[in-house]
Amino acid sequence: GDSVTQMEGPVTLSEEAFLTINCTYTATGYPSLFWYVQYPGEGLQLLLKATKADDKGSNKGFEATYRKETTSFHLEKGSVQVSDSAVYFCALSGALDDYKLSFGAGTTVTVRA
Amino acid sequence: GAGVSQSPRYKVAKRGQDVALRCDPISGHVSLFWYQQALGQGPEFLTYFQNEAQLDKSGLPSDRFFAERPEGSVSTLKIQRTQQEDSAVYLCASSLAGPAAKNIQYFGAGTRLSVL
Repeated sequence: GDSVTQMEGPVTLSEEAFLTINCTYTATGYPSLFWYVQYPGEGLQLLLKATKADDKGSNKGFEATYRKETTSFHLEKGSVQVSDSAVYFCALSGALDDYKLSFGAGTTVTVRA
Repeated sequence: GAGVSQSPRYKVAKRGQDVALRCDPISGHVSLFWYQQALGQGPEFLTYFQNEAQLDKSGLPSDRFFAERPEGSVSTLKIQRTQQEDSAVYLCASSLAGPAAKNIQYFGAGTRLSVL
């Protein structure tokens, strides 16, 4: 079945450092790919998405590019802030069950001032 | 507020008790989803409603789990004869329609269930 594997955490960074979180997937056909973020004490919220190969999703300074050839959707941000401290989840929705989200295990990111 | 509301936020149950978890979706959202999130893991799909119809219940782990949405709005996830392995955060999400790529799923804060 469809699955997502993401980089294990936790990740601790200093403010203004570069962040990358690796995500790879296994799926039949052409899934849609997502990054969700969970800030402390809040519910999951969509950060960005990409629905076809070579699409780039971006939001709040974060970017991820849908790479079909490497089945990857790595999340990057050039200069993190303390407010970016959160748990980040990579997810996909399959070509067949397109309503269902399959999530990775999550990566906890802590940014120090 | 206009977000997805779940209650209770925390529930402690003795093994063997029945529990009921409530989800109030965003008004007007046709689709409703339940996910289970074990400690240190990502959410896992349990079930999906479109209005009052339960279109997919393939993720429910056993016949002790039952979900309903009788009027196409509020949903209840019921777990009978709870076991320790049922301890998790139960997340509810709603969206305007089914396909996730075109319809953002908005998540509630979850209900943390602890079975002693």
